Parts: sequence; C-alpha cells; structure tokens
Amino acid sequence: GAGVSQTPSNKVTEKGKYVELRCDPISGHTALYWYRQSLGQGPEFLIYFQGTGAADDSGLPNDRFFAVRPEGSVSTLKIQRTERGDSAVYLCASSRFRTGRGEQFFGPGTRLTVL
Amino acid sequence: AQKITQTQPGMFVQEKEAVTLDCTYDTSDPSYGLFWYKQPSSGEMIFLIYQGSYDQQNATEGRYSLNFQKARKSANLVISASQLGDSAMYFCAMREETSGSRLTFGEGTQLTVNP
Repeated sequence: GAGVSQTPSNKVTEKGKYVELRCDPISGHTALYWYRQSLGQGPEFLIYFQGTGAADDSGLPNDRFFAVRPEGSVSTLKIQRTERGDSAVYLCASSRFRTGRGEQFFGPGTRLTVL
Repeated sequence: AQKITQTQPGMFVQEKEAVTLDCTYDTSDPSYGLFWYKQPSSGEMIFLIYQGSYDQQNATEGRYSLNFQKARKSANLVISASQLGDSAMYFCAMREETSGSRLTFGEGTQLTVNP
C-alpha cells in the first residue's frame, strides 16, 4: 500500500514569505505527527493530531507555525513570515495507534530553504 | 538533561560482521517505548525495532535485535551480518506515556559498512 506522502519535496522561499507544506498519511491511520529535522540532528517534535484535532501542539516553536487537519486525513503545516532559521527538513509521520507499539511511519520529508 | 543519548557520532564495520549502536535514555516514567529508526541518504526514516518498558524479552526483528538493559537505561541496537545497504544514519527514540505520542530522538549514529 501507499506510504506517507509529502509535497513539495523541496521548497525554496524568501525571508518573510508564507509557506504551506502538505502531508498525506497512510490510509486508516488516525494519528498524524509533524517533526522538524535540522542538519546533523535528530527530528524534533512539532505537533500531533488525533483525528481532526491537535492533541499536542507543544512543539511548535512560536505562533508563526500552525497546522490543520480538517477532515482527519491530509494535514497542512503553515509557516508565516518565514525566517532563515526555519530552514530544515519537515517530516510527517502517521500511526494506527498512539499507544503500545504504535510505530510511526515517516514520509520522505519536505526540505525547506529560506533565503 | 538529554532524554536520549547516542554517544557514537560515527561507526565503521566490515561487511558480514556484527555491530552494536549505543543508546541510553533518561525518564522517570514507568511506562515508555523505545524505537530505532534508520535514515539512509535518501532521507526517509525507516522503522526497525520496538521495545516496550514492560517487555520481558529483548526485541528481535530479522537481523536487528535490541539489547535492553532497563536498570542501566540502555537500549542498544545490534545489527548482525552487516550488509553494504546498512550504511545509513541510525536514530534511537523514546515515547513516554506521560508525554503523549511524541517521539524524542537522539542525535544519531552514522554507520558505514565497508566491503
């Protein structure tokens, strides 16, 4: 079956611009996660959705970052007034269960570059 | 304090030999799960193996096994019979029951398998 997909694969933008990153999870997975991975580091948690609602958004760095999942499937991560420090790979993951083994399956990521 | 510590930035192993990648963790939560992921140069995070804090036996998945020493708070990954395709970045991660579903990752170990 299809895995987690993310679009675009690469995004180059200018400082101050608005960007949207899209994630399409594995069909039937109710849990969806966004992580950010800076060069040479492990992924850092941003936000977690269970269904349509954001169950945990404590990892969002500031109010320029926002994410939605209106129909409980596709999610969009939105970044306003981008800064050079936002440059990173943004990873999306989904899982069937949030407890127990509940392994998260990751997409290929969107590489965001802010000039 | 770091929740996940991977002390080996880089490791080298000869093809067909076994290798151990170290991971120590820090939590006061009695219920937690430990995960290992592989990230090839293509960037996608691939789930390898899971160990629950209450599991009595060490987890195994094919050539991967997890050496879980709860009292020492270590969860080392053992890869047997290394293959050239095992060359990648390896991340240890933890999910704590009280922190919801988020994964906390270490900084990773770059494994190189030499022919």
